[in-house]
Amino acid sequence: GQQLNQSPQSMFIQEGEDVSMNCTSSSIFNTWLWYKQDPGEGPVLLIALYKAGELTSNGRLTAQFGITRKDSFLNISASIPSDVGIYFCAGQWGSGNTGKLIFGQGTTLQVKP
Amino acid sequence: NAGVTQTPKFQVLKTGQSMTLQCAQDMNHNSMYWYRQDPGMGLRLIYYSASEGTTDKGEVPNGYNVSRLNKREFSLRLESAAPSQTSVYFCAIPGTGSSSLSYEQYFGPGTRLTVT
Repeated sequence: GQQLNQSPQSMFIQEGEDVSMNCTSSSIFNTWLWYKQDPGEGPVLLIALYKAGELTSNGRLTAQFGITRKDSFLNISASIPSDVGIYFCAGQWGSGNTGKLIFGQGTTLQVKP
Repeated sequence: NAGVTQTPKFQVLKTGQSMTLQCAQDMNHNSMYWYRQDPGMGLRLIYYSASEGTTDKGEVPNGYNVSRLNKREFSLRLESAAPSQTSVYFCAIPGTGSSSLSYEQYFGPGTRLTVT
């Protein structure tokens, strides 16, 4: 089956530092999504990418859809304590709203004030 | 949580007991999804429903049944719970997004299930 490999598994950084995480797959995806999950909550969508090569920003977050359609990265600039959480990449294959999401294993981010 | 409600929030079952997890949406979407989340494994799709009255298997359907009797509700049933089904269960619906090709999904608050 399809798999997403997300790295790193965890990061412990100082407030103000930049963060980078990525996802790779052996399969091609139509859409890449990045989610953040706070403890006890459901995942919340951060950024959605629809085209190979696309680079999209959302405040301090920047994500790119790899040209090969098999990878994506998420950068967080100038991290702050509220960035703490688990970040997931997800790829969608299939068409329309019946497409299925495959998730990476998650990157746990801890920020030291 | 994007118009998705889930009940109950927490549940403890004994092995062999049955229960139904409920999910309801007020966004009038055709599609609804059930995922489970286990530590270190991300979320995995159990079942999804593309429209009222239709359901399809996802990545990990064994041990579960689903029902989509109307557009608003999508329920997940465990007929005979096993400790391996201890997990957090999330229901999701599609988002509208900014693109006509939006494939985003939005998640409910989750049900935390423990099977002893």
